[in-house]
Amino acid sequence: EADIYQTPRYLVIGTGKKITLECSQTMGHDKMYWYQQDPGMELHLIHYSYGVNSTEKGDLSSESTVSRIRTEHFPLTLESARPSHTSQYLCASSPRQDSGGELFFGEGSRLTVL
Amino acid sequence: RKEVEQDPGPFNVPEGATVAFNCTYSNSASQSFFWYRQDCRKEPKLLMSVYSSGNEDGRFTAQLNRASQYISLLIRDSKLSDSATYLCVVRRSSGDKLTFGTGTRLAVRP
Repeated sequence: EADIYQTPRYLVIGTGKKITLECSQTMGHDKMYWYQQDPGMELHLIHYSYGVNSTEKGDLSSESTVSRIRTEHFPLTLESARPSHTSQYLCASSPRQDSGGELFFGEGSRLTVL
Repeated sequence: RKEVEQDPGPFNVPEGATVAFNCTYSNSASQSFFWYRQDCRKEPKLLMSVYSSGNEDGRFTAQLNRASQYISLLIRDSKLSDSATYLCVVRRSSGDKLTFGTGTRLAVRP
């Protein structure tokens, strides 16, 4: 089992609220990622980080922001949630060296914005 | 055009059947290829890498056709536990980001 944890697993929140999705891994991985996945759709990369104080936007534009102050922690924040942000958010990590294409995913955070 | 395209299915097959999925990719510079498995409402997990010469892992066989830019996954002797969505994944170079297809859903019935 991968040691990568996401909280909360489920969140229902009203429009305009600020939310932070937490992601932590205990594997010492340098690389961390946030993907967004709608039902029946592909995973879209929205943010990634290759190390502390390094963050980049992914292929899909997102109003969320991320930070990487510690290796093990990669939180995602939405300053003002909207119904269009309703989705599943998956955090993943991989070691600095090529791990043969293996990403280790958390169980996901399912966000519903009313 | 999507970078990775898959038939979404579902493929409904009886136990013991052989089933094959194909996936096409648009970027000829892609170098690495993988199949991930995602169970319903779960996170994706790496199933197997795809090597140029083709490779097998138990009942699973993966093949790559660079000329036609497609990847295939063959599952022999399907089990009920094989029911899942199979994601085709490509990467342009080592260390680069992964690009996921939408997945092909497989339902194995008794």
